[in-house]
Amino acid sequence: NAGVMQNPRHLVRRRGQEARLRCSPMKGHSHVYWYRQLPEEGLKFMVYLQKENIIDESGMPKERFSAEFPKEGPSILRIQQVVRGDSAAYFCASSPRDGETYEQYFGPGTRLTVT
Amino acid sequence: QKEVEQNSGPLSVPEGAIASLNCTYSDRGSQSFFWYRQYSGKSPELIMFIYSNGDKEDGRFTAQLNKASQYVSLLIRDSQPSDSATYLCAVRDYKLSFGAGTTVTVRA
Repeated sequence: NAGVMQNPRHLVRRRGQEARLRCSPMKGHSHVYWYRQLPEEGLKFMVYLQKENIIDESGMPKERFSAEFPKEGPSILRIQQVVRGDSAAYFCASSPRDGETYEQYFGPGTRLTVT
Repeated sequence: QKEVEQNSGPLSVPEGAIASLNCTYSDRGSQSFFWYRQYSGKSPELIMFIYSNGDKEDGRFTAQLNKASQYVSLLIRDSQPSDSATYLCAVRDYKLSFGAGTTVTVRA
């Protein structure tokens, strides 16, 4: 499968637990973007990463959320002490390079439910 | 994020008709425009991108860009029931700014 991979596809957490979402970009892609889609709302940018660097995290909530893209392995979006308002679909997208003319392709998403 | 507005839906068209979707954007300096299709419960799927003024055709889809008027449109010709989905307009400046989406229903 040469597409963007995300796991888990569904994640249930109780309030106060931690959620870890993983994203492996398409082969040959070195740029990763995370987006969140709240129920009945549009897609919103969260963070843009390259290997070992956070380029833009302007869409990330200031507390409890963090992201990384290590030299080896997938990108991780981490949500600490989850609350019910974190329930959403989290999508990862990747592109081969920076620049406005490179398309982004989305993974299947992780649907987080906080109980 | 850049503001992106899409015409409110839902849009219902009969099978075989043309579905017309419109999108306007706020940043006159924007250069790259994308249309994604999202089926319920699924992830966005890239269907068209356009960078230059004018029309771009790909199969039954035509994207139109008018930078002077700051709008992008998507035409779906010979609409099929399988085209029933939410269509998202997006503007890119390395990150994507999405409109709220227009839900299209194609009636058989």
